[in-house]
Amino acid sequence: DADVTQTPRNRITKTGKRIMLECSQTKGHDRMYWYRQDPGLGLRLIYYSFDVKDINKGEISDGYSVSRQAQAKFSLSLESAIPNQTALYFCATRPAVGYGYTFGSGTRLTVV
Amino acid sequence: KNQVEQSPQSLIILEGKNCTLQCNYTVSPFSNLRWYKQDTGRGPVSLTIMTFSENTKSNGRYTATLDADTKQSSLHITASQLSDSASYICVVSRSGNQFYFGTGTSLTVIP
Repeated sequence: DADVTQTPRNRITKTGKRIMLECSQTKGHDRMYWYRQDPGLGLRLIYYSFDVKDINKGEISDGYSVSRQAQAKFSLSLESAIPNQTALYFCATRPAVGYGYTFGSGTRLTVV
Repeated sequence: KNQVEQSPQSLIILEGKNCTLQCNYTVSPFSNLRWYKQDTGRGPVSLTIMTFSENTKSNGRYTATLDADTKQSSLHITASQLSDSASYICVVSRSGNQFYFGTGTSLTVIP
């Protein structure tokens, strides 16, 4: 099994719909992240969480919300999807110190 | 402003040839620098990590260099293979656990 699992892998949704992207990890790390990747813009941080009771906004949090249901689970929601939220979304986890990220395989979201 | 810039944006090379990817950064105070490989449709996977005191680090056919004085890093790929086709992302960590991502270099290796 993958260390970081994202579901779904691909999703097409209509403008205005609510959608949730799910992430679970088996690394046992406290820190989890949601990134968005757009061509030419690299990875941009949406939200991050250092533990179940700690949620922080990243650089592009508008239009998104998150829920940290457990140490291993971190979901990203788009309350009312819009076309410019079409992107590749990555969940990642890392320990508090020392090592880098472990990324999931990504969710390709298309909003039509 | 803390930034990470990578060049070239894209690169096409023949199988078996060598290539070098560049990463320049203005992140301060510097903690470490990582190179990630991202295959199409997959998440980034770490190749190397370099701290301030390290100049060179190798991982198989991948060799990363770091010049902390000029704030430059390079990733050299030797004897390229078709499986090296991917995006390569430079990530610089700032003290305090802040991370800055480059936009990546897209490498295509052709037979």
